[in-house]
Amino acid sequence: DAGVTQSPTHLIKTRGQQVTLRCSPISGHKSVSWYQQVLGQGPQFIFQYYEKEERGRGNFPDRFSARQFPNYSSELNVNALLLGDSALYLCASTLLTVNTEAFFGQGTRLTVV
Amino acid sequence: RKEVEQDPGPFNVPEGATVAFNCTYSNSASQSFFWYRQDCRKEPKLLMSVYSSGNEDGRFTAQLNRASQYISLLIRDSKLSDSATYLCVVCFGNEKLTFGTGTRLTIIP
Repeated sequence: DAGVTQSPTHLIKTRGQQVTLRCSPISGHKSVSWYQQVLGQGPQFIFQYYEKEERGRGNFPDRFSARQFPNYSSELNVNALLLGDSALYLCASTLLTVNTEAFFGQGTRLTVV
Repeated sequence: RKEVEQDPGPFNVPEGATVAFNCTYSNSASQSFFWYRQDCRKEPKLLMSVYSSGNEDGRFTAQLNRASQYISLLIRDSKLSDSATYLCVVCFGNEKLTFGTGTRLTIIP
């Protein structure tokens, strides 16, 4: 079975642009979470979706938004990009809730110039 | 105060040695605890869950002390392949995983 897949793997954007990152969870997993990992830090929680509904939101500005589709895949959108948005964006897939094992995708490395 | 605090290291340890990491968390109502491993430029992967009774998986032993709000990871007979960043992870409720900064470990031949 395929693991969590994210696309694209690498992305370079300029300040002010918008970006959409995509994630496909493991088959059968209904919960998808997004994390931002800045170099030298642990991942920081952005959003969690379960059964297409937002279940949690981290301390990120409104420029960050996300959604989950009927097939449980998810998109993370970031508007008006800032240099500080440069990071590895990780998608995590869990069967039900995050109390069970979370499987991470390989991430999307976003560079804002 | 950070929700989850870890010594960032780096820890440089000779092969075969025993190494221990500690982690503290601030939310006393936290319910689930994990250690994740992250290799350079890769995604985090679950190493082991941590239970109040303590648990062992081969060379790895994890302990949880709820009264003191800390979690530990012990690696015995360390291998070169153990070189990685070890992330302490705490979960409160069903919404999110809260990660520590990570502790970087390098095993020296």
